[in-house]
Order: sequence, then structure tokens, then C-alpha cells
Amino acid sequence: AQTVTQSQPEMSVQEAETVTLSCTYDTSESDYYLFWYKQPPSRQMILVIRQEAYKQQNATENRFSVNFQKAAKSFSLKISDSQLGDAAMYFCAGGKLTFGKGITLSVRP
Amino acid sequence: DVKVTQSSRYLVKRTGEKVFLECVQDMDHENMFWYRQDPGLGLRLIYFSYDVKMKEKGDIPEGYSVSREKKERFSLILESASTNQTSMYLCASSYPQGIATNEKLFFGSGTQLSVL
Repeated sequence: AQTVTQSQPEMSVQEAETVTLSCTYDTSESDYYLFWYKQPPSRQMILVIRQEAYKQQNATENRFSVNFQKAAKSFSLKISDSQLGDAAMYFCAGGKLTFGKGITLSVRP
Repeated sequence: DVKVTQSSRYLVKRTGEKVFLECVQDMDHENMFWYRQDPGLGLRLIYFSYDVKMKEKGDIPEGYSVSREKKERFSLILESASTNQTSMYLCASSYPQGIATNEKLFFGSGTQLSVL
């Protein structure tokens, strides 16, 4: 079984600043993948970034990067130089199609 | 780009009605999924299918059924809608066949269903 936990329901960040969204997980798998998805007000969910558990290097996609701590089962998303368009719900997900509860990120101009 | 289309953006139904939610994808994906999204609960998997006429129960299948007669279309059926099925329903697809856990999901825009 796999569980994904996002304990913060909401966060706020000033435009151009950096914010980190937290996620922890638990799994019995030895090899797995972890994902962050973004759901803007349009409701169209899109993939932000993906991490392969057997890779030690943290994944990076432009302003988005992860801090993957395998031993601690932690998978946080860092957004650098936050933009107004980053305001959305963010979901952490892993393995067997399991999603966290999501976090609402607001960006202050 | 992959397009996953859900037939209705908003839907209002009465308790006891039979409800069909339709989902179509245009990229020949093998796998299709139905989730419901509720505030504070995130996304929960209802059913998924990895091939035509195949279906597997997810975490919360009670009160729902599905149909996949063609590869591109995956329907969610509420046999007798109840108020606790008021929710946002999201359809998704992925490739390749089988529930590969490394493949990203492509989502539709969701159907907000209200059961009165």
C-alpha cells in the first residue's frame, strides 16, 4: 500500500520569492516514481515534475525543483521566482495512482 | 498534445437518477481512469481500465460502475445517484498498457456533479 501526505492545506508567497511545498509518502515498493501536479482555477490538471526514486539527483524543470529525501520519505516541491500564474492547487502523487489532499498556493503581487 | 475531453463541465441531477459521465481521449492511450475530487480529501481513484472491456476497482468503487466499449471512451455510471456523490469527477488517461507507475496522467477538465 502507498500513502501520500500533504499536511499544509494552504500557503502564500510573494511574487518573485521562493516557496516550498511539503509532501511525505510511505510505500513498500523498492522502485517507484513520485509526481507533483498543478491544478489551476481552470481545473485542468497538469504534470509539474516527476522524480524516479532510484535516481539520487533531484529533478528540475525550469523554476520547479524537488528535494527528494528517500530515507525520510520526503518529496517537497520548490518554486523559485514565483509568478502570479503559479497560483493553483498542487497535488503530490506517487506509485499506485495515489494522490495527496492537495495544497492551495496563492501568490501575492 | 493529448486531449482528454469530458462531456459536461457542470451537471445537476436528482437523487435516484441514473447518471452517465463520459470521457474521450484522442491519443490512443491504453489506460483510462476515473477519480473524484473533494475538498480536503484530494483525488480518490474510483475505477480504472487498461484495455477495452477491462476494468479494475480503485479505492472507492461503491455506488459506481464503468464501461469501456471502445479504446478512446471510458464512461462512469452512477446507477442511482445519491447526494453523497456530489463531487468533482476527473477523467485521466496514460500510456502504455498496464498500470505503469512511471507514466504521467493526462487529465480532463472535470465534471462538477451536483445531486439534489
